[in-house]
Amino acid sequence: DVKVTQSSRYLVKRTGEKVFLECVQDMDHENMFWYRQDPGLGLRLIYFSYDVKMKEKGDIPEGYSVSREKKERFSLILESASTNQTSMYLCASSPSMTGDYGYTFGSGTRLTVV
Amino acid sequence: KQEVTQIPAALSVPEGENLVLNCSFTDSAIYNLQWFRQDPGKGLTSLLLIQSSQREQTSGRLNASLDKSSGRSTLYIAASQPGDSATYLCAVLTSGTYKYIFGTGTRLKVLA
Repeated sequence: DVKVTQSSRYLVKRTGEKVFLECVQDMDHENMFWYRQDPGLGLRLIYFSYDVKMKEKGDIPEGYSVSREKKERFSLILESASTNQTSMYLCASSPSMTGDYGYTFGSGTRLTVV
Repeated sequence: KQEVTQIPAALSVPEGENLVLNCSFTDSAIYNLQWFRQDPGKGLTSLLLIQSSQREQTSGRLNASLDKSSGRSTLYIAASQPGDSATYLCAVLTSGTYKYIFGTGTRLKVLA
């Protein structure tokens, strides 16, 4: 089975801190995604990557950046954390950008910014 | 712009009941549709993936159908169990795009 591992289940950070959320997948998938999930808003795409060092903005990229130096790892960076970035962050990967095999998600990181 | 709606937002049923969860989408030009399950505080687990050329997919007690022309999908759960309690999300991949659009989910509670 494909595994998508998010390094932290829970994080508490202070306003203004630089925050790194890490995601690793073990099945050589080309495509990786970062979503945030908020009550009543569902999942919203922040960034995605279709190859090493390649990235595309999703629907809500403001305040975030990403890094993909190796195929298996996709990092989400909050440049200067703010309280409105308190959320559940979910990473996903897929072998196909056309979704032939669907997405596989990690367990999520619940980030609280105080 | 694709919009995905799931109604009801919450559902409570007694154990053993057969139930149907609904998902509707506004743009019928889809590539596929995926149903997920999410337990509280956890990530998403894929349940079923239906390609646009398919009418339904089955896995155990779960059956998902797709009617593109009406912009609807249903997830049928047979003989529900307390362990089925979770939030169920559907996600649609519109043709020509690279991202899934998610509904906000139906929170299901199966009472013992």
